[in-house]
Amino acid sequence: NAGVMQNPRHLVRRRGQEARLRCSPMKGHSHVYWYRQLPEEGLKFMVYLQKENIIDESGMPKERFSAEFPKEGPSILRIQQVVRGDSAAYFCASSRNRQQETQYFGPGTRLLVL
Amino acid sequence: QKEVEQNSGPLSVPEGAIASLNCTYSDRGSQSFFWYRQYSGKSPELIMFIYSNGDKEDGRFTAQLNKASQYVSLLIRDSQPSDSATYLCAVSGGSNYKLTFGKGTLLTVNP
Repeated sequence: NAGVMQNPRHLVRRRGQEARLRCSPMKGHSHVYWYRQLPEEGLKFMVYLQKENIIDESGMPKERFSAEFPKEGPSILRIQQVVRGDSAAYFCASSRNRQQETQYFGPGTRLLVL
Repeated sequence: QKEVEQNSGPLSVPEGAIASLNCTYSDRGSQSFFWYRQYSGKSPELIMFIYSNGDKEDGRFTAQLNKASQYVSLLIRDSQPSDSATYLCAVSGGSNYKLTFGKGTLLTVNP
């Protein structure tokens, strides 16, 4: 009964490098959501994806951030040219469907930008 | 701008007492309400969800929803030190799948 899986759990990058965060949803779930938790801040919605489709990316910064959920494989959140302000915990959640369906969270990836 | 407000705490209660956590939300169209627990350095863990006005009980936890007052609460009976964590209130509306979170209330249960 595997839950939502994320890797890596911790990621250290220098300014200007790229960060790739991966998320595999729970078995039977086809909806993936990414949230960011900045230090001392609440969780903020970033993007919602289904297989091969970005449904809503209204919470994504306009530049440097992108997300995908290919037909095969995990969902990827990609941050190009990272800056120190990108340091945060990035959580992935999944649900079976989107209507009144609870979202279950993965363990998160803690990104530290030096 | 949809907002979810929670007292940041810390809320401190003795072991065995009832802990009461409160949350208000701004969007009257909100339809789904969730309580998550987050231990320091860990991910949010779903505790309860509630969709209808009234109370919903699950073990030591009771969620209460009042849509007219735009208020949702979580009661924890017989609080245990292991309940010490940050409790996050989250809200979504209708077909709006986005969860809007409050900043959380830090609960400390003292042995």
